[in-house]
Amino acid sequence: NAGVMQNPRHLVRRRGQEARLRCSPMKGHSHVYWYRQLPEEGLKFMVYLQKENIIDESGMPKERFSAEFPKEGPSILRIQQVVRGDSAAYFCASSPLGRRWDTQYFGPGTRLTVL
Amino acid sequence: QQQVKQSPQSLIVQKGGISIINCAYENTAFDYFPWYQQFPGKGPALLIAIRPDVSEKKEGRFTISFNKSAKQFSLHIMDSQPGDSATYFCAAFKISSGSARQLTFGSGTQLTVLP
Repeated sequence: NAGVMQNPRHLVRRRGQEARLRCSPMKGHSHVYWYRQLPEEGLKFMVYLQKENIIDESGMPKERFSAEFPKEGPSILRIQQVVRGDSAAYFCASSPLGRRWDTQYFGPGTRLTVL
Repeated sequence: QQQVKQSPQSLIVQKGGISIINCAYENTAFDYFPWYQQFPGKGPALLIAIRPDVSEKKEGRFTISFNKSAKQFSLHIMDSQPGDSATYFCAAFKISSGSARQLTFGSGTQLTVLP
């Protein structure tokens, strides 16, 4: 059973470009979470999605960031007009049912570098 | 306040020694406390977790001690091995938080076990 998959693993963008990060949850999981890890810091929650629904986006920056989890295909975290401060590791996690106590299984992350 | 404070930032232990990592939280609504282990280039993986209705949980060489009145919990790694060298994150979660599913992470402890 493949784990959570994220791609690309490394992404380099210049200031002002767009970054698209993809996450395929574990088989059978329909709940996806995105976290951001800045250098020397812990992970910070960004957004929680179910298929075709954003459930909790309380950690998402108000501008330039958006997330989706379509009925078919991976979840996408999109960052428009990237700035140097967006450089971080972005982790996706998934859980099977979204029960409150479900373990969240993390992917290997996408390291975004903004030049 | 949704903060979890973790210490030390880094820890060096001799093989066979005991590694101790401490965390403190502020929000008494937290009711689930997992620890995650992260190796370089990988995503965090759940190591062990505890609910506040117990004071200690042990799984193999890993033990969580929980002090509800002090709002503190710690991870003890007995007989530490070089393979335990990784970054460890404590986290907190509110099971009874409605639709929210966000983990609140500490800042991480980089553990190095010397051979």
